[in-house]
Amino acid sequence: EDQVTQSPEALRLQEGESSSLNCSYTVSGLRGLFWYRQDPGKGPEFLFTLYSAGEEKEKERLKATLTKKESFLHITAPKPEDSATYLCAVPIRRGGATNKLIFGTGTLLAVQP
Amino acid sequence: DTAVSQTPKYLVTQMGNDKSIKCEQNLGHDTMYWYKQDSKKFLKIMFSYNNKELIINETVPNRFSPKSPDKAHLNLHINSLELGDSAVYFCASSQVGREQSYTFGSGTRLTVV
Repeated sequence: EDQVTQSPEALRLQEGESSSLNCSYTVSGLRGLFWYRQDPGKGPEFLFTLYSAGEEKEKERLKATLTKKESFLHITAPKPEDSATYLCAVPIRRGGATNKLIFGTGTLLAVQP
Repeated sequence: DTAVSQTPKYLVTQMGNDKSIKCEQNLGHDTMYWYKQDSKKFLKIMFSYNNKELIINETVPNRFSPKSPDKAHLNLHINSLELGDSAVYFCASSQVGREQSYTFGSGTRLTVV
């Protein structure tokens, strides 16, 4: 069964304290892995897509990496504005063309000044 | 210039009532979705439409009936609302073959009292 698991559920960091979020997946035929950021009262906002093991993507203080079984979202010297829920998801093809996303349960990140 | 827009943003209603949520996208995507996010922030797909055709129906009670009048619109009608239907409902759209095009609306918070 296709499954995505994220850890930790919640993470509290001091401003400037680097850390990593984990997303492990069990999917037959991975067709990419997505990272999203979700702020309270808003929809998920796209951050990165990773397609193959060894791939890395960076955006400001965030770097996403991918292995054959998991992905990491590294946060370097975070700021309070990085506080949000971070979601990872994998697309699953159904109906020949349409993709649905299987989401993890998310990591709620709080960065304190 | 909102890409995926949903109305209303908040919906409070009594048990047993019937309500609808509307969604429109101006991205030219050919596929639209409804996702449900529960109180633990877990996002799960409900329905998917590709070019007005229902592709995915993820064992959702038949009290939920999606309707897609055209490629740019996907509405969700819910009959006989129950307490357990309280959640945030997200509309999304994407273009087949371009998984990274997945875009979410800002959500509709439904509260059934």
